[in-house]
Amino acid sequence: QITLKESGPTLVKPTQPLTLTCTFSGFSLTTTAVGVGWIRQPPGKALECLALIYWDDDKRYSPSLKNRLTITKDTSKNQVVLTMTNVDPVDTATYYCAVLSGSHIFHSWGQGTLVTVSS
Amino acid sequence: QTVVTQEPSLTVSPGGTVTLTCASITGAVTSGFYPNWFQLKPGQAPRALIYSTRNKHSWTPARFSGSLLGGKAALTVSGVQPEDEAEYYCLLYYGGSWVFGGGTKLTVL
Repeated sequence: QITLKESGPTLVKPTQPLTLTCTFSGFSLTTTAVGVGWIRQPPGKALECLALIYWDDDKRYSPSLKNRLTITKDTSKNQVVLTMTNVDPVDTATYYCAVLSGSHIFHSWGQGTLVTVSS
Repeated sequence: QTVVTQEPSLTVSPGGTVTLTCASITGAVTSGFYPNWFQLKPGQAPRALIYSTRNKHSWTPARFSGSLLGGKAALTVSGVQPEDEAEYYCLLYYGGSWVFGGGTKLTVL
């Protein structure tokens, strides 16, 4: 059974960095064509794909956010970490992680974690 | 500028059939966009329904189907159930980047 769980701060001050961790089980990020992505949904708005990291350490970022994002993986801990610099209140959102297989098949998602950016 | 467009809202009666569509600003959606469809309900993890245009996950109810229709990706729900009331999002692949549509709020009334 595949599970993913997001963790991180619930409240972050503007200009501070945000670090989120996705801890997963039921699959390996060393398996060919597997990837993990981070997606967010601001309140009342649409989903937005932020970043993905694949089994071969290929990384893809949202063009509009790529200067602020870093995605890394720790295969020994079954974790994927997303770091976002210089957060702003518009970054307030529920952040999800999800697993892909075959490079194009999105499977399971975590429950998400709500992050509020406020002073 | 919205890259991927969905109907903002649709209403369907229980037992009816509804088709949600997903259009790309770049032109016709093809299988090369690997359309994925997701269902979102408040307080629940998003659920993947369809991948690569028309393929269902093992948990996808049979009443959901995916296709290409008139240059768009489409999600059809046949025999709609009250529990299908939710937000639905498509996701398209643009050669390395993935872009979500704006979502469709489906009301079952």
